Amino acid sequence: AQSVTQLGSHVSVSEGALVLLRCNYSSSVPPYLFWYVQYPNQGLQLLLKYTSAATLVKGINGFEAEFKKSETSFHLTKPSAHMSDAAEYFCAVSLFSGGYNKLIFGAGTRLAVHP
Amino acid sequence: GAGVSQSPSNKVTEKGKDVELRCDPISGHTALYWYRQRLGQGLEFLIYFQGNSAPDKSGLPSDRFSAERTGESVSTLTIQRTQQEDSAVYLCASSLIGASSLLIPTQYFGPGTRLTVL
Repeated sequence: AQSVTQLGSHVSVSEGALVLLRCNYSSSVPPYLFWYVQYPNQGLQLLLKYTSAATLVKGINGFEAEFKKSETSFHLTKPSAHMSDAAEYFCAVSLFSGGYNKLIFGAGTRLAVHP
Repeated sequence: GAGVSQSPSNKVTEKGKDVELRCDPISGHTALYWYRQRLGQGLEFLIYFQGNSAPDKSGLPSDRFSAERTGESVSTLTIQRTQQEDSAVYLCASSLIGASSLLIPTQYFGPGTRLTVL
């Protein structure tokens, strides 16, 4: 069965520092993986998605994620954090079951950026 | 509209009352999903609609929860006899298609309805 584990419910970085948010997945089939961001009092916004093309996926706002099959990981990175990056980030895997797709989400990682 | 909209944005109700949450998906999106987000937790899948039909209702937490979709657009999630554990943010998402093992469409989320049961 598909599942997602996000290591670290809270991550704090300094402005300008590297952002690394960890996601590991479990899937019995080649996975389709997503990162979503949720700003306060808003819905989820898609950052990027992996659909078996390039293993390094570039998304919006300077974020990227690398799919590593050997490590079953899909970590999210950004070279230099901005204050505006403070939000909650969710990793998800797509499950096709019962004739339809649904997303299985991790518990989320709250990113704080301090000056 | 340009995106998925949900109403109300906030709902405070007393234990035992019924509530209705509304979702307006992106025009043309045939697939619609409901999720629940409890405080400090990830999103929990509730139900999926393909057109007006819901092939799988097993994600609904109890028989107090029901959902319908009319005209392949608006969907309503109804919670009867609300309990305090129903307090959460209820998120709706839509996508162009939902039933394909080959194409993985992006799900677009609404801002959610924050439900508080006193």
